Amino acid sequence: RKEVEQDPGPFNVPEGATVAFNCTYSNSASQSFFWYRQDCRKEPKLLMSVYSSGNEDGRFTAQLNRASQYISLLIRDSKLSDSATYLCVVNTNRDDKIIFGKGTRLHILP
Amino acid sequence: GAGVSQTPSNKVTEKGKYVELRCDPISGHTALYWYRQSLGQGPEFLIYFQGTGAADDSGLPNDRFFAVRPEGSVSTLKIQRTERGDSAVYLCASSQQSGIGGQFFGPGTRLTVL
Repeated sequence: RKEVEQDPGPFNVPEGATVAFNCTYSNSASQSFFWYRQDCRKEPKLLMSVYSSGNEDGRFTAQLNRASQYISLLIRDSKLSDSATYLCVVNTNRDDKIIFGKGTRLHILP
Repeated sequence: GAGVSQTPSNKVTEKGKYVELRCDPISGHTALYWYRQSLGQGPEFLIYFQGTGAADDSGLPNDRFFAVRPEGSVSTLKIQRTERGDSAVYLCASSQQSGIGGQFFGPGTRLTVL
């Protein structure tokens, strides 16, 4: 099993719809989790951290399920500008190993 | 405030040559990371510095790759005897502590080995 796995997509979603995708991780010792957004030919940008209690930032909601070892990202009322690749990041703080998933491509359709 | 900067933004070199890629992290960030990213892939971890020391270099693909951070700020990634397979975008990121709070990336250096 890969350390961090994501569905590569692409997810083609009409504007205004809700979309969600998951990321699974294999190391149960993982402690920090993040979602990054990467636009084409740009560097990744931190979107949000993922906390055990879940967190929400505007239209974006991130959740962590430790028992099943996955994190999720939900985007409500999607905008054309949400089109990007979303990268899942897992950090095992004990050894500072940070692993990126390969990303999920999202296309919001007008 | 200034973010992470990387130079050069693009580097084209010939097979067998030596290249140096530079990263200036955000001021005050003690942790610095190097990644490389190929088209359609997520960033691949290369090496991580905490201060001046390489805390984890397990991602360096072979001994042609080396990185330094002599004063705990600027870092240089050095690639000897470049090969065509080294062509990728090399990303640098920094964070206040070891990944806690997330990392902030520079714009990357696009390396092309002909």
